[in-house]
Amino acid sequence: DIQMTQSPSSLSASVGDRVTITCRASQSISSYLNWYQQKPGKAPKVLIYAASSLLSGVPSRFSASGSGTNFTFTISSLQPEDFATYYCQQSYSSPRTFGQGTKLEIK
Amino acid sequence: EVQLLESGGGLVQPGGSLRLSCVASGFTFSSYPMTWVRQAPGKGLEWVSVIIGSGASTNYADSVKGRFTISRDNSKNMLYLQMNSLRAEDTAVYYCVKDRSGSGYYFADSWGQGTLVTVSS
Repeated sequence: DIQMTQSPSSLSASVGDRVTITCRASQSISSYLNWYQQKPGKAPKVLIYAASSLLSGVPSRFSASGSGTNFTFTISSLQPEDFATYYCQQSYSSPRTFGQGTKLEIK
Repeated sequence: EVQLLESGGGLVQPGGSLRLSCVASGFTFSSYPMTWVRQAPGKGLEWVSVIIGSGASTNYADSVKGRFTISRDNSKNMLYLQMNSLRAEDTAVYYCVKDRSGSGYYFADSWGQGTLVTVSS
């Protein structure tokens, strides 16, 4: 199985900050990498697929890049509604494993 | 509008069985792979199982292989997860998820609200 490792596990930041989360795969997954946002008590929501493709309706302050084993997810200017937990997921092969999550908290 | 509504969760004793159901609407159900994803209380997301649109092929996480069975009834727009030999570590919210492909890259497009399964004596 492919292991996905996210860092950091948690992050404190302020409104307006630029934040970056990294995700590393245990083997090459090409660009088969998705990013999700989950708010407390809610189901996750997909933001980005294919490593860097933004879903329709997702604000442009969200972006991501990478291929192979190393990926990054960036929020260019944090908004109050962005404080949530973010997960990466590989869709290269089953089981389509998730990273352990990054909890983004208000500083 | 895509809607996914899970049911069947509840309290079950270790070693017991439970069948989760998910009714789908708002899309051509048979055209999409469907997935179950779970989340233990206070923990991260865990991919559980996937079934392709026709139902002819399935895959499972190692943690549930041999104990859980995913199935679907395309005539009823229903997705199922039969869970046997349940363990305490299976306690989680189980989400029914619709997969979608963008240029061949699959992602979890729509999620149900989840159903809680608690395995405890």
